[in-house]
Amino acid sequence: NAGVTQTPKFQVLKTGQSMTLQCAQDMNHNSMYWYRQDPGMGLRLIYYSASEGTTDKGEVPNGYNVSRLNKREFSLRLESAAPSQTSVYFCASSVRPGPLSMNIQYFGAGTRLSVL
Amino acid sequence: GDSVTQMEGPVTLSEEAFLTINCTYTATGYPSLFWYVQYPGEGLQLLLKATKADDKGSNKGFEATYRKETTSFHLEKGSVQVSDSAVYFCALKGGSYIPTFGRGTSLIVHP
Repeated sequence: NAGVTQTPKFQVLKTGQSMTLQCAQDMNHNSMYWYRQDPGMGLRLIYYSASEGTTDKGEVPNGYNVSRLNKREFSLRLESAAPSQTSVYFCASSVRPGPLSMNIQYFGAGTRLSVL
Repeated sequence: GDSVTQMEGPVTLSEEAFLTINCTYTATGYPSLFWYVQYPGEGLQLLLKATKADDKGSNKGFEATYRKETTSFHLEKGSVQVSDSAVYFCALKGGSYIPTFGRGTSLIVHP
């Protein structure tokens, strides 16, 4: 029962470098999400994908891009990393979003990213 | 818009003490309410939920009651253990597409 798998678990980048965070879920969920977690700020939504083929901006999308590769996979790309992007990144999935859905979310273990 | 306010932490308790973590919310309509827990080095996981007024969610000795009159969903446990040390997030799901999370409350339990 893997659930939501994120890779890598840890990463150190230099300012200006690029990288892609990978996320895959094996629960046949329709919706996937990327959050960042910073001390004192709680969780902030970066992007989400309500279903395969769609993506939408969340609260803090600047400096990030996403790709919903297929139903299982949702990647987050930093094109030119900045120290302000030092954070812990969580991927999550849910059966479906929508006004009538409870939208219980299932989270990966996180990627701890440092940008020097 | 929807919002969730949690008490700031850290909350520091001795083992077997009583725990309350306060959570209040603002939302239109009748949201579902949740508590998620994040153990050190892990992602969040659902702890309990309640879907309508006066419902009580419970799991692992934790309880929370959906109080619509006070717009609250306080988390309680009668006797905490060291293994309960974690960050606790209150969340709601209203009419929007995605849930709204509080900022989290860190709980530290000493032996």
